[in-house]
Amino acid sequence: GAVVSQHPSWVICKSGTSVKIECRSLDFQATTMFWYRQFPKQSLMLMATSNEGSKATYEQGVEKDKFLINHASLTLSTLTVTSAHPEDSSFYICSAWPGDNYGYTFGSGTRLTVV
Amino acid sequence: QQQVKQSPQSLIVQKGGISIINCAYENTAFDYFPWYQQFPGKGPALLIAIRPDVSEKKEGRFTISFNKSAKQFSLHIMDSQPGDSATYFCAATPGGAGSYQLTFGKGTKLSVIP
Repeated sequence: GAVVSQHPSWVICKSGTSVKIECRSLDFQATTMFWYRQFPKQSLMLMATSNEGSKATYEQGVEKDKFLINHASLTLSTLTVTSAHPEDSSFYICSAWPGDNYGYTFGSGTRLTVV
Repeated sequence: QQQVKQSPQSLIVQKGGISIINCAYENTAFDYFPWYQQFPGKGPALLIAIRPDVSEKKEGRFTISFNKSAKQFSLHIMDSQPGDSATYFCAATPGGAGSYQLTFGKGTKLSVIP
C-alpha cells in the first residue's frame, strides 16, 4: 500500500533552536504534499501546501519565515520550525495523495515540544 | 468561516450499537468527501470516502450516506466496538486528484462502552 512516512515521531527542543521534520512518500511520488498542525482536542489546520520544485503556498496567518518548507524531490518534503518557541509546541502532520485507491494519506505525525 | 460543520462533538454508544456522525458543507465545489479515524498521538487514517455521484457507500461496518441537495453526509458505524473508540473527522475537497487541501470538520470523539 501507499505509505507516508514522517520522522521524527516526537522531538523536544529548547526555545530558540530549529527543528526539522521529514515527510516521505513510500512507493509513490508526490508532486504535492500538505502540512497540517493540530492542537490538543482540535481539528487539523492546514499550514501550507508543498509543491515539488517550487515555493510552498502558506495559509493566511502562517509565518513562512518561521515554518520553512522544502520539497526538493518527488518523495521528500521537509518542514523546519525555526527559532522555535513554546507556542509552537503542537502535533504536526503531513499528507499526500497516492491516488484514488488510497485517498489522502497521512503521516503518523510529529509531536513537537519546545521547552 | 467553517466550511464543514460536524456534529456531535462527542458521542457515547454501547457496544453493538450504531454510531452516527453528521457533516454539512457549504462549498458546492466540493466533490470528494472522506472520513478519517484518529487515535491519540497518531495521524488520521482513511476509513471510507465518497463522491457526489452516489448516495451511499458501504465498506464493512462503515457506511457513508450522502445527500447532495441538502449538502450533508454522514458516517454510520454498525455494530460499534470498543476498538472503534477514537476521534472521527469528516472532510471535503474540491478535487480528488490531490491538488487541493482537505477541509476538515471539528471532529467527533466516539466512546464505545462495553
